[in-house]
Amino acid sequence: DGGITQSPKYLFRKEGQNVTLSCEQNLNHDAMYWYRQDPGQGLRLIYYSQIVNDFQKGDIAEGYSVSREKKESFPLTVTSAQKNPTAFYLCASKGASTEAFFGQGTRLTVV
Amino acid sequence: ILNVEQSPQSLHVQEGDSTNFTCSFPSSNFYALHWYRWETAKSPEALFVMTLNGDEKKKGRISATLNTKEGYSYLYIKGSQPEDSATYLCALGVSNDYKLSFGAGTTVTVRA
Repeated sequence: DGGITQSPKYLFRKEGQNVTLSCEQNLNHDAMYWYRQDPGQGLRLIYYSQIVNDFQKGDIAEGYSVSREKKESFPLTVTSAQKNPTAFYLCASKGASTEAFFGQGTRLTVV
Repeated sequence: ILNVEQSPQSLHVQEGDSTNFTCSFPSSNFYALHWYRWETAKSPEALFVMTLNGDEKKKGRISATLNTKEGYSYLYIKGSQPEDSATYLCALGVSNDYKLSFGAGTTVTVRA
């Protein structure tokens, strides 16, 4: 089954801790993305990667880090520097000149 | 930051009525305009990817038009049904279409 998988679905983090969100795709897509959604707002781009070992900051990259060591995987680390990390996080992947495919999302709550 | 704007933010439609809403975007460096439907408890799913000025696409009762010169796209729903209730997102791809910037969405509620 081709698709994009995010884990976990729900995640709780204590203040001051780093946490990593997983995103895996088997669609053979070159590009992968991380978006954040807050209540009443749209999807805001955190980071994206067009190719393995390369990634670019999106509009709200501060307090986040990513890696792209494999084509299939694009993990997102929410660091303690992110001032307001509680949000819904969506991962997506995309081929050239095609639509994006999305994971089911991870809801992160800081407790 | 690419300013992709959608209006209205939300709308309520009576079952059987038709409706439409707008996505506005900066036209410089335009590559593609995407439309997605996001139903509650599901992932966003693509409706259309449009690249040419004047392009029109249709999927069932849903259609979209694109004007890249003035920077807007319309999404139309004909004869709305309760299953059309969702948030509709547009996204702008610039240059090589790899950077995708989304609008805030239009949430459509169809009343039976």
